[in-house]
Amino acid sequence: DADVTQTPRNRITKTGKRIMLECSQTKGHDRMYWYRQDPGLGLRLIYYSFDVKDINKGEISDGYSVSRQAQAKFSLSLESAIPNQTALYFCATSDSMGTGYGYTFGSGTRLTVV
Amino acid sequence: KQEVTQIPAALSVPEGENLVLNCSFTDSAIYNLQWFRQDPGKGLTSLLLIQSSQREQTSGRLNASLDKSSGRSTLYIAASQPGDSATYLCAVNRGSTLGRLYFGRGTQLTVWP
Repeated sequence: DADVTQTPRNRITKTGKRIMLECSQTKGHDRMYWYRQDPGLGLRLIYYSFDVKDINKGEISDGYSVSRQAQAKFSLSLESAIPNQTALYFCATSDSMGTGYGYTFGSGTRLTVV
Repeated sequence: KQEVTQIPAALSVPEGENLVLNCSFTDSAIYNLQWFRQDPGKGLTSLLLIQSSQREQTSGRLNASLDKSSGRSTLYIAASQPGDSATYLCAVNRGSTLGRLYFGRGTQLTVWP
């Protein structure tokens, strides 16, 4: 099984619909992140969480919300999807400082808003 | 704000060549730098992680160097193979915003037989 699992892998939704992307991890990491990737723009941070009670906005959080249900689960919601939220979404985890601080990424969710 | 730039944006080479991919960043106060590989439509695979106190890291045919003072890192790929074809991403961790990575836009590498 993958260390970081994202569901669904692909999703097509209509404008105005609410949609949730889910992420779960078996790495035992305390830190989790949501990034979005657009062609030509690289990866940009949406939200990040350092533990269950600590959630922070990234650089492009407007239109998104998150929930950290447990140390291993971090979900991203689009309250009312719009076409410019069409992108590839990645969940990632990392450990705390002092142990290498490397990242592990999920395989991504390709979201299309029509 | 940290800006990360990768040059070239795309590279196409014949099999067997030694390659250098470049990454530059504007704020030298980084905690570490990580190189990733991304295959089309797939997630990111970590290749090498260099701590700010290190000068280089090696893994197989890959060698990454870091010059914090000049804001540069290079990824050296020896004896390239068609299986190396992918997009290579550089990301820096500033440390001041603990855990957050700033990504470059990547170098798309094609190695042809």
